[in-house]
Order: sequence, then C-alpha cells, then structure tokens
Amino acid sequence: EAGVAQSPRYKIIEKRQSVAFWCNPISGHATLYWYQQILGQGPKLLIQFQNNGVVDDSQLPKDRFSAERLKGVDSTLKIQPAKLEDSAVYLCASSLQPTSGFYEQYFGPGTRLTVT
Amino acid sequence: ILNVEQSPQSLHVQEGDSTNFTCSFPSSNFYALHWYRWETAKSPEALFVMTLNGDEKKKGRISATLNTKEGYSYLYIKGSQPEDSATYLCAWVNNFNKFYFGSGTKLNVKP
Repeated sequence: EAGVAQSPRYKIIEKRQSVAFWCNPISGHATLYWYQQILGQGPKLLIQFQNNGVVDDSQLPKDRFSAERLKGVDSTLKIQPAKLEDSAVYLCASSLQPTSGFYEQYFGPGTRLTVT
Repeated sequence: ILNVEQSPQSLHVQEGDSTNFTCSFPSSNFYALHWYRWETAKSPEALFVMTLNGDEKKKGRISATLNTKEGYSYLYIKGSQPEDSATYLCAWVNNFNKFYFGSGTKLNVKP
C-alpha cells in the first residue's frame, strides 16, 4: 500500500512570497488533515477534510492560508503572503474512517518551509 | 487552554537500557490517546491507539499504559536499540474528535 505523498519536501521562500504544498493521501482514505509543526512544538491541526468538505478549520489563519481537497482525493495548502513565523514543517495525514479519534492517522514525510 | 505535555523533552540512553516517558493530558472529555514515532526525515508512524482507562498495549519491545482518570500515559521501551532513536509524540483526542499533540520526547540511543 503506497503511503501519503507530499511535495515538495523542502521549500525556501522570502517573506511576502506565496507557496503551495501538495498532498496525495492513501487511496480510499476519507479524512485528510493538514498540520503545522513549528520547531520545538507539537503538530497543530490547521484544517481537516471529510471527503471534499471541511470539518474543522478553526485554527487556519484564513487571511493568508487556504486549502482545498480536489474531488475528495488530493489536497493543496497555500500560504499567500508568507510571514517569517510560517517557517515550519507542514504535515499531511489521512485516515481511512470517517472522522473518528479511534483510528490512527497515516502521515506523509512533511514539507519543511523556511521563510527568510 | 488544552495542554498536552510530554516529558522529558529529550533523553539520551545507552543501548540495552530500558526507558520510559510520560504524556499528560486533560482528564475530562477524553476520547482516545495516540502514540506516534517519528524518525528524522521519515513520516510519523502510529504505535498505539488507546481508548479505555487501564489499557495496556504492546508492540515488540515497546509498550504503553493509559490512565484516563488522572490524565497520563506512559510509553516504555525495553532494551533500547539505536534504531529506537526517534521523537515519540502523543496526541490526546477529545470527544469532539479533535487531536491535540504534545511536543514530543526526543530519544537518542547510543551504541
């Protein structure tokens, strides 16, 4: 079974530039999560999709971050414009079952973003 | 404030040592507790999902216990090996199915 794919793995941009991350979850997984992990902190949920609908985006800074899940499969996360404090690892995860904390999440390798 | 805390932040042990670390979480609105292992340059990998007070789970040399009434979980590694070197993350899930991760315990096992 192929795992969760993310690209790019690394990205360096200047502040005020835009950046987009892509995630391809495990085939058949209904739930998709985007997390932000700032150095020294735990992953923080940015947005959660159930198929192509948003379940939770309460911690997504909507003035600069946006995300979509195309046809309930792939997802993109965009930052426009980037700030220095957006430097972090962005993790994508998917889960087979509909939203439920009983089921483990499968993570991608993450995208390390550096904003200079 | 919903705090999930892990201790210690980092740990250095010799090969063959047994070790354990702690995840503390709010005892109210508990739904599930997850443990993940994250090796450098790889994807976090699920170790355990625990739901019931008193749960004990084991996978090889790694085991975990859960106390939902007092709000903590322990992860134990017996006879640590260099390949156990990783960051171990716990995630508390509340009854709204919302995940809150701790900042992790970074384990380094020296040969």
